[in-house]
Amino acid sequence: GAVVSQHPSRVICKSGTSVKIECRSLDFQATTMFWYRQFPKQSLMLMATSNEGSKATYEQGVEKDKFLINHASLTLSTLTVTSAHPEDSSFYICSASGGGAKDMGTDTQYFGPGTRLTVL
Amino acid sequence: SQKIEQNSEALNIQEGKTATLTCNYTNYSPAYLQWYRQDPGRGPVFLLLIRENEKEKRKERLKVTFDTTLKQSLFHITASQPADSATYLCALNNAGNMLTFGGGTRLMVKP
Repeated sequence: GAVVSQHPSRVICKSGTSVKIECRSLDFQATTMFWYRQFPKQSLMLMATSNEGSKATYEQGVEKDKFLINHASLTLSTLTVTSAHPEDSSFYICSASGGGAKDMGTDTQYFGPGTRLTVL
Repeated sequence: SQKIEQNSEALNIQEGKTATLTCNYTNYSPAYLQWYRQDPGRGPVFLLLIRENEKEKRKERLKVTFDTTLKQSLFHITASQPADSATYLCALNNAGNMLTFGGGTRLMVKP
């Protein structure tokens, strides 16, 4: 249980184009989804938190007009990188919570496999 | 400022030995702490969660301790195997379910 998928797994695009990444919780309802970015040999950095049906909350330094997040249903969130530039090249990972794992009594985050974005 | 520190140097151990990884934090009062495994080019996989009022938690060959006085968690893998080679991340929750990650420690288990 608690499987999260991401699509695409890898994308290469030209500078100036927009890229959409999908995150789906396959077997549970995700009331909250998180988007992270990870640069090589660095840890995950939280970009934004989204609750289903609400606007996303962005971390300091993350441009909300550049990284558009939509969480329209309990199983799907999308991240759109608008007008992508080479410095946006990174590994983008989503996570989802809301299942409330029984042995922990609290939500934990289940991560997708990540999307490698390369902007030429 | 808040910090989560994991040893950035790779830990190399021989198969069969116990691997011990450390996570230290400052200026946090986490409700709980989690450990994840991350393989190259993949998302993190949840391993264990330990609450602030728990001293130790076990799952198969894994053991986690949590010392809120020392502000430290230790992650042990007993009878290590080459398949355990990966990067291990600790993450802290404060309020709610937001996570802040440490930089991770790479473990290499040699056959």
